[in-house]
Amino acid sequence: GEDVEQSLFLSVREGDSSVINCTYTDSSSTYLYWYKQEPGAGLQLLTYIFSNMDMKQDQRLTVLLNKKDKHLSLRIADTQTGDSAIYFCAEMVFYNQGGKLIFGQGTELSVKP
Amino acid sequence: DTEVTQTPKHLVMGMTNKKSLKCEQHMGHRAMYWYKQKAKKPPELMFVYSYEKLSINESVPSRFSPECPNSSLLNLHLHALQPEDSALYLCASSQGTVTDRGGETQYFGPGTRLLVL
Repeated sequence: GEDVEQSLFLSVREGDSSVINCTYTDSSSTYLYWYKQEPGAGLQLLTYIFSNMDMKQDQRLTVLLNKKDKHLSLRIADTQTGDSAIYFCAEMVFYNQGGKLIFGQGTELSVKP
Repeated sequence: DTEVTQTPKHLVMGMTNKKSLKCEQHMGHRAMYWYKQKAKKPPELMFVYSYEKLSINESVPSRFSPECPNSSLLNLHLHALQPEDSALYLCASSQGTVTDRGGETQYFGPGTRLLVL
């Protein structure tokens, strides 16, 4: 079945770059997502990439996709304390009537001043 | 506008109470979702409505009863809950257009934090 894996914790210094990694298992064409969740809040969609793309950049965020290894990464440039949150990687699995998100366990990013 | 709203923000209920959670979106989305999330864990899918019809029920206990009165609203009726049902309940929506798979991108609301005593 489909599975998405992430490391659980990442700690960086303010101003450094953060790289959060994710692996997925579905081999069909799909969409891959990054969501951010701050304490006590819902999930905020950060960005997404279609599986035939290699890279997507949006301001401080860069998503890299290695389709051969089924490896996805999210790079946050110039990480700020406001970036401290849990980051979920998710893979879209399609069925007849729509799609289901398969989430990773989430990576807790801690940014130290 | 990619806003999904949920009410109430917080809810405390006893095990014999009946309460309802509400979710609303005005993005013209035709698919709506309920998730349950425990602290520091990923959301778990409970129900999916597509064009106001229930399309997925992830074997959720009958004490949770979803309802989709129209394409903008989604309710979750709660009855005789257990303390282990305490969690953050998230609603999400997507365009729901099967022919455009990018339209399945889900937008989440802020959630209702539920405590069952």
